[in-house]
Amino acid sequence: LAKTTQPISMDSYEGQEVNITCSHNNIATNDYITWYQQFPSQGPRFIIQGYKTKVTNEVASLFIPADRKSSTLSLPRVSLSDTAVYYCLVGEGSSNTGKLIFGQGTTLQVKP
Amino acid sequence: NAGVTQTPKFRILKIGQSMTLQCAQDMNHNYMYWYRQDPGMGLKLIYYSVGAGITDKGEVPNGYNVSRSTTEDFPLRLELAAPSQTSVYFCASSYSKGQGGHYEQYFGPGTRLTVT
Repeated sequence: LAKTTQPISMDSYEGQEVNITCSHNNIATNDYITWYQQFPSQGPRFIIQGYKTKVTNEVASLFIPADRKSSTLSLPRVSLSDTAVYYCLVGEGSSNTGKLIFGQGTTLQVKP
Repeated sequence: NAGVTQTPKFRILKIGQSMTLQCAQDMNHNYMYWYRQDPGMGLKLIYYSVGAGITDKGEVPNGYNVSRSTTEDFPLRLELAAPSQTSVYFCASSYSKGQGGHYEQYFGPGTRLTVT
């Protein structure tokens, strides 16, 4: 089981870049890494997914080192509306069982 | 597309009662999931399904049952409700790309359940 470990919480200020790192030491060869954002009283929302190196979309970047034992979600120039819980997920095993388990998540608080 | 829909939005149950939480998706996704989220906590996987007729247990399956007779629907059954099942329940669906990969999960709005 590819368990993930993230910081419980982080604080930032508007306009800053925020980097949240996730550790997944037991990641399997064929596993992808996916990040979600969750606001209070809502279901999680997909942010970004990657397998190796760097992935960038309109809201974030995902950095994955060569050993793939960790990943870093980078949010450029955060605003108050980025205050949320961020989850890192790793697909369970190369057999693609579909068993997707969320970790504890990182609560990001953006201050004015 | 409506995406993932869940009914009801809210429900109060008495201890020992039973109910079914409904979940439907119209995106032809093969994978569907049920999670619960207790106040201030992360999501816990209850059951999941990789296709019609196939279901499997997640992290916290005790006290729940599921079925998947069609691609679209994935109801969650609570038998003999207990206060420990007070939680917000989220249904999600996704499409597998195979080999450990999966496309993003789409989540429903959740069902807030209170057992007293």
